[in-house]
Amino acid sequence: DAKTTQPTSMDCAEGRAANLPCNHSTISGNEYVYWYRQIHSQGPQYIIHGLKNNETNEMASLIITEDRKSSTLILPHATLRDTAVYYCIVRAGIGGGTYKYIFGTGTRLKVLA
Amino acid sequence: GAVVSQHPSWVICKSGTSVKIECRSLDFQATTMFWYRQFPKQSLMLMATSNEGSKATYEQGVEKDKFLINHASLTLSTLTVTSAHPEDSSFYICSARGLAGHYEQYFGPGTRLTVT
Repeated sequence: DAKTTQPTSMDCAEGRAANLPCNHSTISGNEYVYWYRQIHSQGPQYIIHGLKNNETNEMASLIITEDRKSSTLILPHATLRDTAVYYCIVRAGIGGGTYKYIFGTGTRLKVLA
Repeated sequence: GAVVSQHPSWVICKSGTSVKIECRSLDFQATTMFWYRQFPKQSLMLMATSNEGSKATYEQGVEKDKFLINHASLTLSTLTVTSAHPEDSSFYICSARGLAGHYEQYFGPGTRLTVT
C-alpha cells in the first residue's frame, strides 16, 4: 500500500496562503491522492482529490508533481477556521472495484491571527 | 448533500457490556461503508470495509468477533463492540461511499465511546 509522509505541524498567518506538502513516493499509476481535514473531535471533511493534473475547487488547489511522488495542498487565503489536521491520503484499490483510504499522520495546521 | 450521521455521538458503558453504533447516509445510498477508530492525538485507523448485503472485510489485527459490523441496507451500517473493555475506549468514525464512479468518502461526526 502506498504511504504518505507529511510534516507534523505548520503555522500560517491569517490571510496568507497555506502550502501543505505531502510525499507519496510509492504511489501507483492508478492511485488517487485525496486531501481531508479534521477539526478537533469531528469527522474528516473532504477537501479535494486528483490523479495527475492540478485541481482547484472552492476550498483549495492541489498541485501534483509530474512524477506524482509528491503533492501540495494550497489554501489560498487561510482563516482561523482553517486550523485543523490535514490528511493526505492515497486511495488504494482492494479488489472488486472497492477502495480504501490509508491515512497518514497528517499535518496539524495552526492559522495565527 | 452527502451527509452521514452517527448515533449516538457519545456513549459510556460498563466493562463487559456491548455497545451498538449506527451509521446512516442521509441523502444518498451508500454501497460501501467504512469503520475507523481514532485514539487521542493519533490518525484514523481503518477497522473494516462493508458492502451492503455482504460480510465485512476486516483489517489485519481487528477482531471480527469483537467488532461486529452489519450493513443491512444501503443507508445503514452498525458497529457493535461486544464485551467492551476500557482499552476499547476510542473515537469511532464511519464513512460512506455512494454512487459508482465516485470514490470520495463522506465521514460521519464520530462516536466517542468510554468504557468504565
